[in-house]
Amino acid sequence: GQSLEQPSEVTAVEGAIVQINCTYQTSGFYGLSWYQQHDGGAPTFLSYNALDGLEETGRFSSFLSRSDSYGYLLLQELQMKDSASYFCAVRDRGDSWGKLQFGAGTQVVVTP
Amino acid sequence: NAGVTQTPKFRVLKTGQSMTLLCAQDMNHEYMYWYRQDPGMGLRLIHYSVGEGTTAKGEVPDGYNVSRLKKQNFLLGLESAAPSQTSVYFCASSLTLAREQFFGPGTRLTVL
Repeated sequence: GQSLEQPSEVTAVEGAIVQINCTYQTSGFYGLSWYQQHDGGAPTFLSYNALDGLEETGRFSSFLSRSDSYGYLLLQELQMKDSASYFCAVRDRGDSWGKLQFGAGTQVVVTP
Repeated sequence: NAGVTQTPKFRVLKTGQSMTLLCAQDMNHEYMYWYRQDPGMGLRLIHYSVGEGTTAKGEVPDGYNVSRLKKQNFLLGLESAAPSQTSVYFCASSLTLAREQFFGPGTRLTVL
């Protein structure tokens, strides 16, 4: 089976940097994804890491260490619009159907 | 492109009633998914499909049925609604098994 752990809430001020950690346990690992969801909205894809290292997309970066079963999402130059829930999700290599297992989500609160 | 659309957006049912949620995508994606999301929780996979005419069970399939008669449509049925099925239902689709899933806006279902 799979399990994912991420913090439930993080609060930071505008302009700051926030790191959301995600640790996972899977029987076989294929990749780690991150999704953003605003209140009342649909999840939207942010990033995907299949290999170790850092992937950068604008103000957001995602990191993966497969040996540590650990990844993080880094939000830089925080803006008010970044207030949302952020979910990590893993796909198990043993699962040929492409199913994603989602974490419970981290609520990011950005204050002025 | 409309992307992924869901109907209806809101629905209130009485215990024991049945209903069908419709998901449509215009991106020619092979893979489609139904998730439910409960307050403070991540997304849990109900059923999914890897192509027209194929469906499979996800993490929480009990009480639901699905059909994928056309590639662009994925239907989720509740045979006899229960209060435990009060939730927000999201449909998603993806081109490949991997990375990015595109989500619809969600259906907010209340079962009294």
